[in-house]
Amino acid sequence: GAVVSQHPSWVICKSGTSVKIECRSLDFQATTMFWYRQFPKQSLMLMATSNEGSKATYEQGVEKDKFLINHASLTLSTLTVTSAHPEDSSFYICSARAAYNEQFFGPGTRLTVL
Amino acid sequence: GQQVMQIPQYQHVQEGEDFTTYCNSSTTLSNIQWYKQRPGGHPVFLIQLVKSGEVKKQKRLTFQFGEAKKNSSLHITATQTTDVGTYFCAALISSGSARQLTFGSGTQLTVLP
Repeated sequence: GAVVSQHPSWVICKSGTSVKIECRSLDFQATTMFWYRQFPKQSLMLMATSNEGSKATYEQGVEKDKFLINHASLTLSTLTVTSAHPEDSSFYICSARAAYNEQFFGPGTRLTVL
Repeated sequence: GQQVMQIPQYQHVQEGEDFTTYCNSSTTLSNIQWYKQRPGGHPVFLIQLVKSGEVKKQKRLTFQFGEAKKNSSLHITATQTTDVGTYFCAALISSGSARQLTFGSGTQLTVLP
């Protein structure tokens, strides 16, 4: 299957710091990428849909000024958690949609905010 | 919004026993996808079902889509320790002009050797 990479794999930061997470589709172009958040033992919750060249569409309850998404190319989307706080600690997973509606997930980024 | 309900939340089985997880929606779904997430890992796509009453098999895994396209199931025959993980169903749902994947709550499978 197609490969999606995510960087970094894990990050620990102090409260108030901004953290940038990159999501790349390595062997295919993805006009649409998705950002999910997953708390321990819970399901994946869609945060936003990222479309190349246009503004991201955020789900209800997700602050767009706090979770900045940029999808500058067909292979790269970035999520920046601005002024992170302990409650933002979570597992952030991106996915990229390929043909036939199949979505390939990145390995995830585990964020811990102290 | 539309939700996909999944049961059970947890299942412990002895190795060799069968396992089934169920997904239900109050509305008709255009398709249903199944993913497996190993502990500490990310979701991995298993299969997509689109036709009413569709049944697909992958070795010991059998996937079913209900006749009304409102429910689906994943059945594992003779579980092995390698089957451990959380199994999610997900439905591609239209939201305005966009299509997004809505996940069920997942079933965490533990296989005891």
